[in-house]
Amino acid sequence: GEDVEQSLFLSVREGDSSVINCTYTDSSSTYLYWYKQEPGAGLQLLTYIFSNMDMKQDQRLTVLLNKKDKHLSLRIADTQTGDSAIYFCAEVIINKFYFGSGTKLNVKP
Amino acid sequence: NAGVTQTPKFRILKIGQSMTLQCTQDMNHNYMYWYRQDPGMGLKLIYYSVGAGITDKGEVPNGYNVSRSTTEDFPLRLELAAPSQTSVYFCASSYEGTGELFFGEGSRLTVL
Repeated sequence: GEDVEQSLFLSVREGDSSVINCTYTDSSSTYLYWYKQEPGAGLQLLTYIFSNMDMKQDQRLTVLLNKKDKHLSLRIADTQTGDSAIYFCAEVIINKFYFGSGTKLNVKP
Repeated sequence: NAGVTQTPKFRILKIGQSMTLQCTQDMNHNYMYWYRQDPGMGLKLIYYSVGAGITDKGEVPNGYNVSRSTTEDFPLRLELAAPSQTSVYFCASSYEGTGELFFGEGSRLTVL
């Protein structure tokens, strides 16, 4: 399978920015994704970026893509306690989605 | 719309037993997937299907089987359950192979 790597934990204070990082393996991936998983639930799509873009902004979310280094990041501005969840990056290769191990974001009040 | 529905939500099996995890979607999606989620390991693809009658192996297919006789349904069969199959299983579907994945709520399986 493909190796999509993320750090396992991140802890921030409410109101700070959170940055979650991911490295992926296949430069042919056309789309890269960020999914969010809340306790006891399935994953939900947060945002995605097309591989020919460097950056995408969507309200409090900013996705940065560095294709040369195969590095993807998700920045959450003004992080709230409701943002506490596990965040997964994913790449798609020939109809198959490969996920990272997930980063558990803990937001302290 | 119900989206992706998985049953059962919880199940305890004894070693060597068999069972089927059911998955159905009402969005007329062609692509369907089964993943397992283990702590700290992310999601690993077990099997996937690009349409009725077509299935293919993912990263971790051993010990599992699938079928796709209709667009809506994609059951996952465990034969001869083993403790290593203790996990949370997620079914997902997508309209196209690069689009948004819609997930079910998961099925927590324990093999003792």
